[in-house]
Amino acid sequence: KNEVEQSPQNLTAQEGEFITINCSYSVGISALHWLQQHPGGGIVSLFMLSSGKKKHGRLIATINIQEKHSSLHITASHPRDSAVYICAEGGADGLTFGKGTHLIIQP
Amino acid sequence: DTGVSQDPRHKITKRGQNVTFRCDPISEHNRLYWYRQTLGQGPEFLTYFQNEAQLEKSRLLSDRFSAERPKGSFSTLEIQRTEQGDSAMYLCASSLAGTGHFYGYTFGSGTRLTVV
Repeated sequence: KNEVEQSPQNLTAQEGEFITINCSYSVGISALHWLQQHPGGGIVSLFMLSSGKKKHGRLIATINIQEKHSSLHITASHPRDSAVYICAEGGADGLTFGKGTHLIIQP
Repeated sequence: DTGVSQDPRHKITKRGQNVTFRCDPISEHNRLYWYRQTLGQGPEFLTYFQNEAQLEKSRLLSDRFSAERPKGSFSTLEIQRTEQGDSAMYLCASSLAGTGHFYGYTFGSGTRLTVV
């Protein structure tokens, strides 16, 4: 079973800062997912990647297959980015999740 | 299509009662998944379906948990004889998957269960 570890668990930053959240996994993956969860529970899929880098707006996700490591970056962070960010690995047969990173962006 | 719908959003039940949750996936999606999330933790996989076939159920938490997707559309998750440890958020997700293609997951807003 793949182990998915995230760091940090909690992160508080000022508006405008560059944010990095890290994710490592123990065995080979089919895909690595980054998800966002707001209070109340709903989860939104941000990225699914198996190699390289993806960008959407101010969000960037990278993955290094050799090092079994992925990062989620947020540029020019804003208070509305405050949420729990969860890393997960898996394909169409289900996901194994990390515990999440609780991000707070202060104005 | 309004996405993945879950009902109810909240459920409070007494210990020992049975509860049933419903999930309506995106209509074109052939796969449907159930996850459980306890406070401060990431979700954990419970079971999933491809159309009406339940492809994985060994990770259901106990024999008190069961799931169905009788017509390959909506699904229900039932917990019998609820215990306080069953208090959690139950999340449903759906996807479109086939040979050589997979487009990722769409999640519902979850059902929060409180067992008192």
